[in-house]
Amino acid sequence: GENVEQHPSTLSVQEGDSAVIKCTYSDSASNYFPWYKQELGKGPQLIIDIRSNVGEKKDQRIAVTLNKTAKHFSLHITETQPEDSAVYFCASFPQLYGNNRLAFGKGNQVVVIP
Amino acid sequence: NAGVMQNPRHLVRRRGQEARLRCSPMKGHSHVYWYRQLPEEGLKFMVYLQKENIIDESGMPKERFSAEFPKEGPSILRIQQVVRGDSAAYFCASSTTDNSPLHFGNGTRLTVT
Repeated sequence: GENVEQHPSTLSVQEGDSAVIKCTYSDSASNYFPWYKQELGKGPQLIIDIRSNVGEKKDQRIAVTLNKTAKHFSLHITETQPEDSAVYFCASFPQLYGNNRLAFGKGNQVVVIP
Repeated sequence: NAGVMQNPRHLVRRRGQEARLRCSPMKGHSHVYWYRQLPEEGLKFMVYLQKENIIDESGMPKERFSAEFPKEGPSILRIQQVVRGDSAAYFCASSTTDNSPLHFGNGTRLTVT
């Protein structure tokens, strides 16, 4: 089945610096790639997503880039703030399951140091 | 506009009891998904339902687990004869179509003692 991997597992950054999380996937037919932010005790919150027909999408301090050839996509957070500290999950819609199942990575713990 | 509502937030059951987890999707959403999350793990797909129909239950254990999404009322994930290994956070998500973004609730944390 689809295999989604995230790197690094933990990332610490100084407040104001940028954070980049990379995600790789195995199913070349996947065409939808969301990123979720999960704070302690809460459910995953969709923060940005990208479809395979574009290479980059930006929303204020958050951006996602997609490289379909290499089968990876990355989350970029600029000007990090303490409230950005959370676990971030990438996911993909693997076509072999049909367009109704997200396959998640194991998550990245991002710690923003004030 | 309320988000996905799950209850209870925390549920404690003894081994052998039944657990019933409820999920009300976002207004206007007719697609419901259940995912399970173990500590320090990603979310694992369990089941995908539309009103009165189970579309895909390939991620759900064959025994003791069942799910429904009736015409009226919330979606229910039911675990019979719970075992310690069922302890996890169970998240429900909903979407408007089968190819639109999923929005998650805050989960039900099940503890089996």
